[in-house]
Amino acid sequence: DTAVSQTPKYLVTQMGNDKSIKCEQNLGHDTMYWYKQDSKKFLKIMFSYNNKELIINETVPNRFSPKSPDKAHLNLHINSLELGDSAVYFCASSQKHRGSDEKLFFGSGTQLSVL
Amino acid sequence: SQQGEEDPQALSIQEGENATMNCSYKTSINNLQWYRQNSGRGLVHLILIRSNEREKHSGRLRVTLDTSKKSSSLLITASRAADTASYFCATDPSGYSTLTFGKGTMLLVSP
Repeated sequence: DTAVSQTPKYLVTQMGNDKSIKCEQNLGHDTMYWYKQDSKKFLKIMFSYNNKELIINETVPNRFSPKSPDKAHLNLHINSLELGDSAVYFCASSQKHRGSDEKLFFGSGTQLSVL
Repeated sequence: SQQGEEDPQALSIQEGENATMNCSYKTSINNLQWYRQNSGRGLVHLILIRSNEREKHSGRLRVTLDTSKKSSSLLITASRAADTASYFCATDPSGYSTLTFGKGTMLLVSP
């Protein structure tokens, strides 16, 4: 069973459209994250949720809205897609959000291409 | 701001050789972690070293940490073609378990 699963794996869409990426973890972790990886492989944190509560929002545009219906799910909705949103989006989870020695478990990524 | 910086950006070696990757960071840390990313896949945790540790081993992996120089190195011994991947260091400067990643080192191991 995949520990952190995200769908879809590929997403090709036109500028201006709205799209969602779903993420689920079956590890029983409290904390989930969204990371964005650009074409140069730089991985940047976008959001962090702990037990359905938003913990971190790293100056991401309002067009990006995460939603966590329960602690096992963290979805990402993107409005009015722009060319610069093209990237690979990774969902991740960790057992807890505070304290040291937390390691992340990543999904396999969603490659978003905005045309 | 970006915390970790790996070097080299790319490394090409033959099977059986050792591969060494370095990571430098800017602020004090609780721990430093190394992750591997195979092409088209998510990152996989390899090893964690705490700020009060100097060296750690896991199988063919050896990690060192020098907090005075704010640097770490990852050594993969007796490399295999399957080790071909990108390797990232990550730190948690805030202590809030929000890891900050470097840009990674792309390792190519040729048979």
